[in-house]
Amino acid sequence: GNSVTQMEGPVTLSEEAFLTINCTYTATGYPSLFWYVQYPGEGLQLLLKATKADDKGSNKGFEATYRKETTSFHLEKGSVQVSDSAVYFCALKAGGGNKLTFGTGTQLKVEL
Amino acid sequence: DAGITQSPRHKVTETGTPVTLRCHQTENHRYMYWYRQDPGHGLRLIHYSYGVKDTDKGEVSDGYSVSRSKTEDFLLTLESATSSQTSVYFCAISESNSGRANEQFFGPGTRLTVL
Repeated sequence: GNSVTQMEGPVTLSEEAFLTINCTYTATGYPSLFWYVQYPGEGLQLLLKATKADDKGSNKGFEATYRKETTSFHLEKGSVQVSDSAVYFCALKAGGGNKLTFGTGTQLKVEL
Repeated sequence: DAGITQSPRHKVTETGTPVTLRCHQTENHRYMYWYRQDPGHGLRLIHYSYGVKDTDKGEVSDGYSVSRSKTEDFLLTLESATSSQTSVYFCAISESNSGRANEQFFGPGTRLTVL
């Protein structure tokens, strides 16, 4: 079946540090890949997505590249801010329908 | 922000009692979903709907039922709540299941505690 594996958190960084959150997946066919962000007390928001191999999704300074050869979709940001503190979820959609398979989430804490 | 509300936002109940959670949307989107969020599991799909009166099971549907009598409302019912159903429940909507319109928009969540 489909699955998503994320690095465990929490990840604690100083402001302006470089961020990488690893995500690897197992899926049949050619999935679409997503990163969602959940700020404290809120629902999930789509951060970025990629629908085919070698696509790069980007938004708000975050980037992730769909790597089919390594089945990965790692999230990166060059300089994090305190306001980026949240839980980040990697997800995939494979096959027909619109059901998403989520990773377990990675909590990011950014300190001054 | 997508117009999705959930009610109640918080609920504490006792084992064995019935509980109904409501999701209401103002976007006229066709697809609606119920997820639960638990530590170490991320989000898992409970049930989803692809139209009025059209629903299907997700990966963790046991102990839950749903109904959708109107486009805008999707109800999740726990017929007899158990402590294992203590969780945060999220509703999501999407316009379509393909192409650019398949992005899911999430509600603010309902925190349910079963004692």
